[in-house]
This record gives sequence, structure tokens and C-alpha cells, in this order.
Amino acid sequence: SQQGEEDPQALSIQEGENATMNCSYKTSINNLQWYRQNSGRGLVHLILIRSNEREKHSGRLRVTLDTSKKSSSLLITASRAADTASYFCATDAGFQKLVFGTGTRLLVSP
Amino acid sequence: DVKVTQSSRYLVKRTGEKVFLECVQDMDHENMFWYRQDPGLGLRLIYFSYDVKMKEKGDIPEGYSVSREKKERFSLILESASTNQTSMYLCASSPSRSLYGYTFGSGTRLTVV
Repeated sequence: SQQGEEDPQALSIQEGENATMNCSYKTSINNLQWYRQNSGRGLVHLILIRSNEREKHSGRLRVTLDTSKKSSSLLITASRAADTASYFCATDAGFQKLVFGTGTRLLVSP
Repeated sequence: DVKVTQSSRYLVKRTGEKVFLECVQDMDHENMFWYRQDPGLGLRLIYFSYDVKMKEKGDIPEGYSVSREKKERFSLILESASTNQTSMYLCASSPSRSLYGYTFGSGTRLTVV
């Protein structure tokens, strides 16, 4: 069952620009997480936001969560070529079992 | 450096073969998971385990089984490999408290011919 749906499916920007990805989900959650996947590799955990939090920062990452709209956004500021990857949101509705979305492919050009 | 290790990066097997995918973590995590990843479908949960000798079905368990005899090792078994099981397989682990993310292995790209 696919809980999260990311939007857009693909995003192409220039270095230095900001990248925003959105995630919508269907059911109540305990927390929402964002992961990055470089081509053909495993996923790397970026940030976790609890259901009672509205915004969280980590370095150049900013995540927001709107539980009333069942949506989240990931903002990457001042993008670099090294940020090129696929980004996935994942929801934990309980029991630490994550349900992942289909991902956003981000391309950052020099 | 803590990590999750998957035994093979690439694997090619024949239809009907029994296939074992191994995953080992060195973080003393209670939870372990097996996902498969396919283009356009994202990650789908096959099986997971909260403790030694425990296993739970995920969303797509058909054609798979798992084994967790030791806390650090979680094996995925394809009883009789089929071409529709060609995929990227990802193992992950996490501690029992829910406020930590998963640590993933590098993945095994399995091709069934």
C-alpha cells in the first residue's frame, strides 16, 4: 500500500537555487521521514518530523508538516550538484513500519 | 561506522532456483526489514521482524519467506525464483524506539533469467 505520494515526480534546477518537494499521505501518522537515494544505492535517512511538530531544520534542509492537510514538504536551500538524487517521504503510522512514496528525482545542474 | 551489509551487490539467478539474500547489521537494532524497489512503484515492504525468531508479513510477501535466527542477521528467501521477482532488494534496520530512522544497506540488484 502506497501511503505517500511525492510531487513533482522530477525536478531540474541550477546550482544555488532552492528545491521544494511535496508529499501527501492518507492516514494518521506518528511521524514522517525523508530519505535520499543516490543512483542505484541504498536510502539515507535525512530528517524525521513528529506528528506534533510543524517545522524542522537540519543544515540546508527544512521540513514542514501539516497534519490537517496530510502533507509535508522538503526544502533544500542553495542546492549543489551533489544533491542530485531521488528523495522519498515515508510515514510511520505505528510499530516503526514505514510506508514509502514513489519519490522525486532531483537533478541539480552546475 | 555503523552499517547494514547486504551480501551481494548484483545477483543473477535462474527461474526456479531457491535464492537467499543475506543482511547483517552491527548496530544491535531490534527491527529489520526487507523491501523491494521497482521503477514507478517505489519501495514495497516484503517482510519485517521486531526480534529474533519473529517475522511479520508486509504488503507483498507472496513468493518470499524470511529467517531471523540471530539478532544481527535477517535473510530473505525466494523459494522458487520467477522473472517477476527481478528487482532491487533493500534491507534496513532500526532500533525499537520509533523516533529513529532506518539504516539501509546498499541493496542487491537481483535478475532472474
